[in-house]
Amino acid sequence: DIQLTQSPSTLSASVGDRVTITCRASQSVSRWLAWYQQKPGKAPKLLIYKTSSLESGVPSRFSGSGSGTEFTLTISSLQPDDFGTYYCQQNYIFGQGTRLEIE
Amino acid sequence: QVQVLESGGGLVKPGGSLRLSCAASGFSFSDHQMSWIRQAPGKGLEWISYISDGGSTTYYAKSVEGRFTISRDNAKKSLYLQMNSLRGDDTAVYYCATLRGGGGGSYGQWGQGTLVTVSS
Repeated sequence: DIQLTQSPSTLSASVGDRVTITCRASQSVSRWLAWYQQKPGKAPKLLIYKTSSLESGVPSRFSGSGSGTEFTLTISSLQPDDFGTYYCQQNYIFGQGTRLEIE
Repeated sequence: QVQVLESGGGLVKPGGSLRLSCAASGFSFSDHQMSWIRQAPGKGLEWISYISDGGSTTYYAKSVEGRFTISRDNAKKSLYLQMNSLRGDDTAVYYCATLRGGGGGSYGQWGQGTLVTVSS
């Protein structure tokens, strides 16, 4: 089965830090990848679609890049509200999630 | 305001059935492909089913194939998930989600989720 593996699984960073989360596919299945943010007790929220397109209303400090089997989500300057779990998704597959904690 | 709202969750015994509903508002429901995605307690997201905008095409995850049925009523702007032969590992929050138009397969709008607990 195709898998999406995110790294790291847990990340602790400070306000203002540049943060990068990686998503690797076990094989290339789609040109596109999406990223979501989920806060405790809430539904996931779409941040990035088609690998690098910013969803409406999402702050510009979020960006996505990548191709083939390796993709990244970058937060250019971490803000207190950015805590939560981040998931990548491609077709019917989700990554296992990266929990981001603010130091 | 674009919104999807799930309902129908609850406590059910193993082997039992439940029907989830998802009511859409604020957008042209009949133009959107839809999916059900679930999240077991403390776990990640699992896609479980897809339905095309017209309802003629459906797909299921292996974990639910043959037990769950996705359907929609575009006139009522509603999505459904009929769940039969429920098992303990079906316990999860179930989300309905729209496939974002032009979104490369991403899910643009999610409901708040409805909790299904399978336990004796």
